[in-house]
Amino acid sequence: QSALTQPPSVSGSPGQSVTISCTGTSSDVGSYNRVSWYQQPPGTAPKLMIYEVSNRPSGVPDRFSGSKSGNTASLTISGLQAEDEADYYCSSYTSSSTFYVVFGGGTKLTVL
Amino acid sequence: EVQLVQSGAEVKKPGESLKISCKGSGYSFINYWIGWVRQMPGKGLEWMGIIYPGDSDTRYSPSFQGQVTISADKSISTAYLQWSSLKASDTAIYYCARHRLHYTSGWFDAFDIWGQGTMVTVSS
Repeated sequence: QSALTQPPSVSGSPGQSVTISCTGTSSDVGSYNRVSWYQQPPGTAPKLMIYEVSNRPSGVPDRFSGSKSGNTASLTISGLQAEDEADYYCSSYTSSSTFYVVFGGGTKLTVL
Repeated sequence: EVQLVQSGAEVKKPGESLKISCKGSGYSFINYWIGWVRQMPGKGLEWMGIIYPGDSDTRYSPSFQGQVTISADKSISTAYLQWSSLKASDTAIYYCARHRLHYTSGWFDAFDIWGQGTMVTVSS
């Protein structure tokens, strides 16, 4: 089972924008719009931030946005705030060997 | 309030069996798939599998097929994750989570509601 590829860490100052990439293959990100993003602050359960590539659940600030190009999905956080510091994970439906869902390895966002 | 409440932390020895639970409330339990996600210490999230409580239709990740069993009892709105013989490498936090869409729309989208997690420690 191959995880989607994310950068281990990204950082930015308050007010800046950061983008986290999530690279898969034509068997997952490239073929399906079932890409989701989750935020996980230390010691807490994950929280859904983006579903179906670019949709925000109710209550998620519009500073969070998602997109996809080819086999790579991206999460952009604009107007960084201290409370955004957390681990972020992407996930995608995959048909690589059988049908299931795969997560990325996670990216730690540090707000400087 | 829609929520999933998981059973408490467990400490087990290698070779022992274990069944942890996840009880849904505040919504119709049989209308949504329930999934399980593993997080090993200091590591990322891993999708283990998912079950539809209405008829116990279950899908597993290849990495977890044969290693664990996912089940559900719709009469008490509870899903389960069980091991027949634990290993030290099963030490992790296990989360249950509700699939975002109504069960008729499939099981391959996002999880919108998460349980608080169950810490399982396997050590001799």
